[in-house]
Amino acid sequence: DTAVSQTPKYLVTQMGNDKSIKCEQNLGHDTMYWYKQDSKKFLKIMFSYNNKELIINETVPNRFSPKSPDKAHLNLHINSLELGDSAVYFCASSLGSSGIEQYFGPGTRLTVT
Amino acid sequence: GENVEQHPSTLSVQEGDSAVIKCTYSDSASNYFPWYKQELGKRPQLIIDIRSNVGEKKDQRIAVTLNKTAKHFSLHITETQPEDSAVYFCAASGRTYKYIFGTGTRLKVLA
Repeated sequence: DTAVSQTPKYLVTQMGNDKSIKCEQNLGHDTMYWYKQDSKKFLKIMFSYNNKELIINETVPNRFSPKSPDKAHLNLHINSLELGDSAVYFCASSLGSSGIEQYFGPGTRLTVT
Repeated sequence: GENVEQHPSTLSVQEGDSAVIKCTYSDSASNYFPWYKQELGKRPQLIIDIRSNVGEKKDQRIAVTLNKTAKHFSLHITETQPEDSAVYFCAASGRTYKYIFGTGTRLKVLA
């Protein structure tokens, strides 16, 4: 009965590689988000999709590209990985685009070596 | 730009005592203020939230207060227990519908 799930949980890769993280929610929510939590635990919004439409696009490198095939799924593709991309990436979802009551996934710990 | 300051960064209390964490936001249009608890290696979990038309909200041992004039909001945990030990994040959301998170408070409840 997992509400918001992410795969993989851990991702270790080398600089320059391309990788994807997947997120799925079964809450019936129509808005999904990607957050980055760095080593100092700062949580920062990256992107948000409402019904497959991009509604929040923060200042992140264009090596990061989100894709939402349907409102239950939001993926994050990262090209040409850099050391500074190492972080925990959290997916979240909420009902409606106002952002109220966001529920987070378990996170994906990305380590770039 | 939008900013949320959170204090203290670390807080140690004896079991049974109260803990208070304070946040200040900059965007006067902010109207929704959630609090999240994050245990080590786990996801942030929503524990309580408050909207701008309410001054206080309680849920068992947890309460949140909001002072819109001063742009302050606070989390109060009473009768703390060891399982309350975690990092707590406040956030503010408003016209852009995105959460601006505080920098987190590491709460340690000493048995």
